[in-house]
Amino acid sequence: NAGVMQNPRHLVRRRGQEARLRCSPMKGHSHVYWYRQLPEEGLKFMVYLQKENIIDESGMPKERFSAEFPKEGPSILRIQQVVRGDSAAYFCASSPPTQSDEQFFGPGTRLTVL
Amino acid sequence: SQQGEEDPQALSIQEGENATMNCSYKTSINNLQWYRQNSGRGLVHLILIRSNEREKHSGRLRVTLDTSKKSSSLLITASRAADTASYFCATGLTSYGKLTFGQGTILTVHP
Repeated sequence: NAGVMQNPRHLVRRRGQEARLRCSPMKGHSHVYWYRQLPEEGLKFMVYLQKENIIDESGMPKERFSAEFPKEGPSILRIQQVVRGDSAAYFCASSPPTQSDEQFFGPGTRLTVL
Repeated sequence: SQQGEEDPQALSIQEGENATMNCSYKTSINNLQWYRQNSGRGLVHLILIRSNEREKHSGRLRVTLDTSKKSSSLLITASRAADTASYFCATGLTSYGKLTFGQGTILTVHP
């Protein structure tokens, strides 16, 4: 059973470009979470999704950031018009529909904005 | 200050010694989880303890939870150089939903 997959592992963008980060949850998992980690800091929650629904987006910046988890395919975190402050590691986690308090993390995508 | 604060910020020990890390939080929780992160890598889930539990063991790991003091501790016994990593506690207010992470403890185990 493959773990949570994220791609790309590293992403370099220039200011003003768009960044698309993908997350494939573990097989059978229907809950997806996105977290951001700035250098030397802990993880900060961004958004919690289930298939085709955003459940909690209280940690998402109001502008430029969006997330989706379609019926088919991976979850996508999209950052429009990136700025240098968006440089961080973005982690995705998933949990099963039952016993869902334990979250399994992917390897992360390291975004660098030049 | 934030939910989930680890103490100490950094811990340096010799191989074979025990390492104890503490975590304090502010609100009532449903569960508390400990994760390990090696430098530049993803997070590895270590152990979960629920609010109605007081202690759990997993191999060389022992976790305690004191809900009256809103604190938890992670003990790693007989540490190894491979245990060198950052350790984070994370609290969940419900049985699903977001986790709130602390800043982490950097553990260095010298061979």
